[in-house]
Amino acid sequence: GDSVTQMEGPVTLSEEAFLTINCTYTATGYPSLFWYVQYPGEGLQLLLKATKADDKGSNKGFEATYRKETTSFHLEKGSVQVSDSAVYFCALSDPPGGFKTIFGAGTRLFVKA
Amino acid sequence: EPEVTQTPSHQVTQMGQEVILRCVPISNHLYFYWYRQILGQKVEFLVSFYNNEISEKSEIFDDQFSVERPDGSNFTLKIRSTKLEDSAMYFCASKRQPQETQYFGPGTRLLVL
Repeated sequence: GDSVTQMEGPVTLSEEAFLTINCTYTATGYPSLFWYVQYPGEGLQLLLKATKADDKGSNKGFEATYRKETTSFHLEKGSVQVSDSAVYFCALSDPPGGFKTIFGAGTRLFVKA
Repeated sequence: EPEVTQTPSHQVTQMGQEVILRCVPISNHLYFYWYRQILGQKVEFLVSFYNNEISEKSEIFDDQFSVERPDGSNFTLKIRSTKLEDSAMYFCASKRQPQETQYFGPGTRLLVL
């Protein structure tokens, strides 16, 4: 079945450091890919998405590129802030818009001042 | 901006009791979902609902669970006889069309004692 694998956390960075959170997926079809963020004590917010190969999703300085050849959707940010501390979930929907979203295990990010 | 709402935000219940978790999806959305997140773990799909019937359900969604759209605005998840392992955060989500973005509510934290 479809699945999402993302790097284990926690990831601890200093402010202004470069962030990469790796995500790879397995899907039978041609999925849409997402990154969700969960701030402490809150629900899930869509951070960015990409719906086809080579698409780049971006939001709030975060970026991720849909790489079909490597089945990856790594999340990057050039300069993290303390306020970026949260849990980040990679997810897919297959077929795109399919009835359910499948989530990775989540990666907790701590950013130190 | 329209949002998905959920009530209550927290619920504590005794094992064996019935609970009903309530959600108000975004008003023009047609596809509704419940997900569960056990503390510190991944977000898991429970069930999807469209056109007044279940579209898909996971193996977690056994006979103890049911969903209903009792009127034009509410979408409920009922757990008939709660177990300790039902303790989790329950997220409702909705989308207007299959290919569009899924919006999540803030969650209901359920604690079964």
